[in-house]
Amino acid sequence: EVQLVESGGGLVQPGGSLRLSCAASGFTFSSYNMNWVRQAPGKGLEWVSYITSSSSTIYYADSVKGRFTISRDNAKNSLYLQMNSLRADDTAVYYCARDSYTTNFDYWGQGTLVTVSS
Amino acid sequence: QSVLTQPPSASGTPGQRVTISCSGSSSNIGSNNVYWFQQLPGTAPKLLMYRNNQRPSGVPDRFSGSKSGTSASLAISGLRSEDEADYYCAAWDDSLSGRVFGGGTKLTVL
Repeated sequence: EVQLVESGGGLVQPGGSLRLSCAASGFTFSSYNMNWVRQAPGKGLEWVSYITSSSSTIYYADSVKGRFTISRDNAKNSLYLQMNSLRADDTAVYYCARDSYTTNFDYWGQGTLVTVSS
Repeated sequence: QSVLTQPPSASGTPGQRVTISCSGSSSNIGSNNVYWFQQLPGTAPKLLMYRNNQRPSGVPDRFSGSKSGTSASLAISGLRSEDEADYYCAAWDDSLSGRVFGGGTKLTVL
C-alpha cells in the first residue's frame, strides 16, 4: 500500500526556518517524481515544488523561489522541503504528493501544518 | 488570484447532473493535460481525473472530464450526498514552468 507521511510542521516565528520531511513506503520511491503542495487555512491548493526521481530537475513556485529548497534521499525513501525566511503567508498545511508514470499527484500524504506567527 | 479560474460554488440535488468549469490559457490548459481533484472536508485531496478525461481505478463512472481549447470541465451525474466536497483543477503552465491549480469549487448537494 502506498503511504506518504509528512512530518516536521509546527509553529515558527517570521524569518525562521523549518524542514519538512515526507516518508514514503509501499512503492519504489527512487523511481517516482515528487511534489510539495500547500493549502492555507480555508483556502485552495497551491503547488510549491517538484523534483524528479534522480533530483536532476527541480521547479519552484514563484512565491517560494529563493527561500525553499526541495530535496530527496532515495536511500532513505524520503522527500524534504527546507523552508527559510518564513513569512506569515507561508502558514498552511503542506502535503507531499507523488507523480506516477501516467499521471500527476496520484497519491497524497495527510499533510503537516506549518504556522508562521510571532 | 489563481491562474486557473473555477466558479467558487456549485450545487445540485440528488440525482442531478452538475458541471464544474476550469478556465485557463494557451500556456496551461491549451497545451497541457488537466487534472481534477476531490477534497472531502478535513481530508487530503484525492485524484479524480487525469489526462483530461481518464478516471483512476476506483473512481465511479458518474465522474467524467473533458477539455476544449483553454477550458476544461468536470461533470458529475447521478449526484449523491457523498459528492459534497471541494473540487480543484490543475495543469502544467509552460510560461511559469510550474504547476497551477484552480481556486476550487465547493459543491453542495441540496
